[in-house]
Amino acid sequence: KNEVEQSPQNLTAQEGEFITINCSYSVGISALHWLQQHPGGGIVSLFMLSSGKKKHGRLIATINIQEKHSSLHITASHPRDSAVYICAVPRRGETSGSRLTFGEGTQLTVNP
Amino acid sequence: NAGVTQTPKFQVLKTGQSMTLQCAQDMNHNSMYWYRQDPGMGLRLIYYSASEGTTDKGEVPNGYNVSRLNKREFSLRLESAAPSQTSVYFCASSEARQGKGNQPQHFGDGTRLSIL
Repeated sequence: KNEVEQSPQNLTAQEGEFITINCSYSVGISALHWLQQHPGGGIVSLFMLSSGKKKHGRLIATINIQEKHSSLHITASHPRDSAVYICAVPRRGETSGSRLTFGEGTQLTVNP
Repeated sequence: NAGVTQTPKFQVLKTGQSMTLQCAQDMNHNSMYWYRQDPGMGLRLIYYSASEGTTDKGEVPNGYNVSRLNKREFSLRLESAAPSQTSVYFCASSEARQGKGNQPQHFGDGTRLSIL
């Protein structure tokens, strides 16, 4: 199994702050996923990346394959960014990348 | 676009009762998944289906059965519910398949299941 660790577990920020959420994994991977779980429970895929950096609006995801580490950044955070952010990687030995191991998630609360 | 549709959204069962959670996707995806989410734990895979007619056990398959009768639908059955199966259940689908590499997963809204 590919172990996934996220930090911090909980994060509280003031509106406008720059947010960083970290993810480390134990075994080499072909791609890493970042997902967002809304307060209502729905889960959406934010990014899937295998190298470098991806940007979507105020969200930026980076990955360092050699260090087995990824970060999710949120610039100019807003209360609507409050959610659980989840990191996931393919399970050890998974050749198609279909089956994932998920981190426990980071609960982000952005206060106005 | 409906995406991934799960039913029901909420259910309360008594220990020993059976029920089936339904899931359907309209994206023509090959792969479908059933997960459970418990407090303090990441999503855990119960069962996985790579294509119509095939299913594989995930991390926590005990107490569950699945059926992939066609490409659209993947159901999860609890034959004799136990309090330990109280959880939030998510169905997901993706285009992932051998040779196509990593693909994002699309999730349903979840089913909150309580076993008394």
